[in-house]
Amino acid sequence: NAGVTQTPKFRILKIGQSMTLQCAQDMNHNYMYWYRQDPGMGLKLIYYSVGAGITDKGEVPNGYNVSRSTTEDFPLRLELAAPSQTSVYFCASSYPGTGGRLGEQYFGPGTRLTVT
Amino acid sequence: QQQVKQSPQSLIVQKGGISIINCAYENTAFDYFPWYQQFPGKGPALLIAIRPDVSEKKEGRFTISFNKSAKQFSLHIMDSQPGDSATYFCAASMFSGNTPLVFGKGTRLSVIA
Repeated sequence: NAGVTQTPKFRILKIGQSMTLQCAQDMNHNYMYWYRQDPGMGLKLIYYSVGAGITDKGEVPNGYNVSRSTTEDFPLRLELAAPSQTSVYFCASSYPGTGGRLGEQYFGPGTRLTVT
Repeated sequence: QQQVKQSPQSLIVQKGGISIINCAYENTAFDYFPWYQQFPGKGPALLIAIRPDVSEKKEGRFTISFNKSAKQFSLHIMDSQPGDSATYFCAASMFSGNTPLVFGKGTRLSVIA
């Protein structure tokens, strides 16, 4: 299994440009998440999904959009990029349940985005 | 509103020593408390997790201590090694981990020889 994959690894955007961060998982996980990580600030939830066709906002959704048309893919769309969106973006997935390591979130390697 | 507070921000420990990182939470509905480990340039990975029906969980050199009445939990790394140098995040969620995690701000641990 490849686990959670993210593309691209790095990207530089100009202010006002748009882009889509790709995320895919091959573990048949129902739940998927997008976080952003800023230095010294931990990880903040942008959007999450509990299954295909279902998405919900997290703590910092402004400036972002998501869709979930399949179980495997969960792309994050940035419209009109702003310098405040400079960050490292992580996608994660998990399988719902209890006991053992169920509920564990598996993270991708991240996308480092700079908006100038 | 920061729901999970983590301290210290950074920690330097001698090789072989004990590393201790503390977290406090506010929401009494939280019932799943994991610790994630992150190496530079990598995504976080689950290290160990605890549910509030036990006060301690140990996996190898890593132990979580949990105090439900104080709403606090901590990570202890025994016999710390240079390979443990990483950033550690505590987190919390509800419904046994089936809701999004709320993360602390992280602790950068450096283990020096």
